[in-house]
Amino acid sequence: SYEVTQSPSVSVSPGQTASITCSGDKLGDKYVCWYQQKPGQSPVLVIYQDTKRPSGIPERFSGSNSGNTATLTISGTQAMDEADYYCQAWDSTTAFVFGGGTKLTVL
Amino acid sequence: QVQLQESGPGLVKPSETLSLTCAVSGYSISSGYYWGWIRQPPGKGLEWIGSIYYTGNTYYNPSLKSRVTISIDTSNNQFSLKLTSVTATDTAIYYCARVSTTGGGGVDYWGQGTLVTVSS
Repeated sequence: SYEVTQSPSVSVSPGQTASITCSGDKLGDKYVCWYQQKPGQSPVLVIYQDTKRPSGIPERFSGSNSGNTATLTISGTQAMDEADYYCQAWDSTTAFVFGGGTKLTVL
Repeated sequence: QVQLQESGPGLVKPSETLSLTCAVSGYSISSGYYWGWIRQPPGKGLEWIGSIYYTGNTYYNPSLKSRVTISIDTSNNQFSLKLTSVTATDTAIYYCARVSTTGGGGVDYWGQGTLVTVSS
């Protein structure tokens, strides 16, 4: 079965750029979504179809996907961005596959 | 505003069947979208269980397929999950969700989640 892998944790200073990666075989051939989950809350979609932001998601969130790696980039990271982030790969054969999640700490 | 609300027993005995229902408000489920279930063991990551279209077409996680049934009730604007032969490893927060029909569109609405514990 298809798998995607995320680093368990990433740390960033306020105002800096955070990069969270998701890796999988030929991941660039699939669509990737990203979700933000804060403690005790349901996940929130922040990126879909690799690069698109849903309405209401700040412009500092952006995504890319090429080769074997998808990346969620948060520019000008704020304290409120501290959360767990999950990537999710999709194509017509693998359907939904979630990564294990990355804990973003804003120091 | 689309809202989803899970309901069902919070405690299920091992080997029994877990049953949950998701009531949808603010949107008619027969108007489109897939409707799905996703779970999260305490302190762990997300796992997709399966999805259903209003026509009844279903898509299941291969690792759970033999134990899962998702059904839809358009007249009551709700859909349901049944997971048979549960064990302690099925203990999780279960979320119901609206899933985009556009490839790669993701899950745009989530329920608040309901904790189901498998224990005797």
